[in-house]
Amino acid sequence: GQNIDQPTEMTATEGAIVQINCTYQTSGFNGLFWYQQHAGEAPTFLSYNVLDGLEEKGRFSSFLSRSKGYSYLLLKELQMKDSASYLCAVLSWGGFKTIFGAGTRLFVKA
Amino acid sequence: DTGVSQDPRHKITKRGQNVTFRCDPISEHNRLYWYRQTLGQGPEFLTYFQNEAQLEKSRLLSDRFSAERPKGSFSTLEIQRTEQGDSAMYLCASLPGQGHQVNTEAFFGQGTRLTVV
Repeated sequence: GQNIDQPTEMTATEGAIVQINCTYQTSGFNGLFWYQQHAGEAPTFLSYNVLDGLEEKGRFSSFLSRSKGYSYLLLKELQMKDSASYLCAVLSWGGFKTIFGAGTRLFVKA
Repeated sequence: DTGVSQDPRHKITKRGQNVTFRCDPISEHNRLYWYRQTLGQGPEFLTYFQNEAQLEKSRLLSDRFSAERPKGSFSTLEIQRTEQGDSAMYLCASLPGQGHQVNTEAFFGQGTRLTVV
């Protein structure tokens, strides 16, 4: 089967650091995406990992371990506008199907 | 606005009716996806087009769903004999490049919210 697990909700304080974990079991792997989705809006791309390791982009970093079927999204210097759902998505190998997790709703409090 | 546009933004229909949604991708994008998203869930893959060719379709998609991209530009998603379980947000996303270029971001439209009553 194919499965992507993320925590349902997380709460963090403005200015802090938060790590959102994602574990996956899929039939084939051709990369992992993180998307941000504000309530009522379309998802927007944050990052893509296909090799093991950390990819850093400003306040956001994404990590991948293919052997463990594990990724995390790290958000630094949290701002109120970071309150949103964060979606982990895996692209299947040899195909075009992208499987999304249910998303993690992040609440940033003052 | 040069982003992905979807029409209509909202659709309310009676059970059993047919509905059709339209997606206009970013003009130079060859690749196009349709997804369905319900409240509290991530987008669920429905189908994928590369230019006018429909290369992949979810096995979850019943025969009541059909999608086309006749000229490799805009795409339509039709749902026949709608059921209450079809109520969801239908998202379209487009990407540049060819299928092997997988590390490109998908640009999503604002979606069409379907309510079946």
